[in-house]
Amino acid sequence: QSALTQPPSASGSPGQSVTISCTGTSSDVGGYNYVSWYQQHPGKAPKFMIYEVSKRPSGVPDRFSGSKSGNTASLTVSGLQAEDEADYYCSSYAGSNKGVFGTGTKVTVL
Amino acid sequence: EVQLLESGGGLVQPGGSLRLSCAASGFTFSNYAMSWVRQAPGEGLEWVSAISGSGASTSYADSVKGRFTISRDNSKYTMYLQMNSLRAEDTAVYFCAKGTCSGVSCPHSYGMDVWGQGTTVTVSS
Repeated sequence: QSALTQPPSASGSPGQSVTISCTGTSSDVGGYNYVSWYQQHPGKAPKFMIYEVSKRPSGVPDRFSGSKSGNTASLTVSGLQAEDEADYYCSSYAGSNKGVFGTGTKVTVL
Repeated sequence: EVQLLESGGGLVQPGGSLRLSCAASGFTFSNYAMSWVRQAPGEGLEWVSAISGSGASTSYADSVKGRFTISRDNSKYTMYLQMNSLRAEDTAVYFCAKGTCSGVSCPHSYGMDVWGQGTTVTVSS
């Protein structure tokens, strides 16, 4: 159950797009279409942003989109806004009823 | 309004025990799997354990298996995490989170849509 690998940081100017990668193995990300993404502001609980690779829960802006290719999933935030500055974590089903989170990426809006 | 409220955190010595609770409201508790997720100071999220809506199925991260026990009382709308043989590396904020369906794999298959604010566990002598 090794953590999924994410870049420590990513940044973009307001209005631009930023893409965060989440790399696992064929036993987790690559083996299932069960990748979720969470946003966490400092001192707050995580917020549910994406599920099943690319689906958005009700209330999540369509500026947030997800995709997957092989063992790597990605989250793209388009039209960056100041409130998007936060930590982002991917999560994947890892078989045997277990799950694994990514290492987390801090997104900075320049 | 759907809400989760954790309690039971505190300071405990290495080797000690603690029981966390997660009180749910605003939804039919027994219809949904639940999870515990922790976050060590300055670190990322770590999945700890999950339990099915009925409570019949459970799952644990390797790091806590054999030391932690997850359970739920659907009549009380409450989930628990019994933590034994605590270690310094168990120090973290512990969040409870709601799955979007009832199976034990639901939280990681289909995501965790509601989270509590967390309770802090510190393991130190």
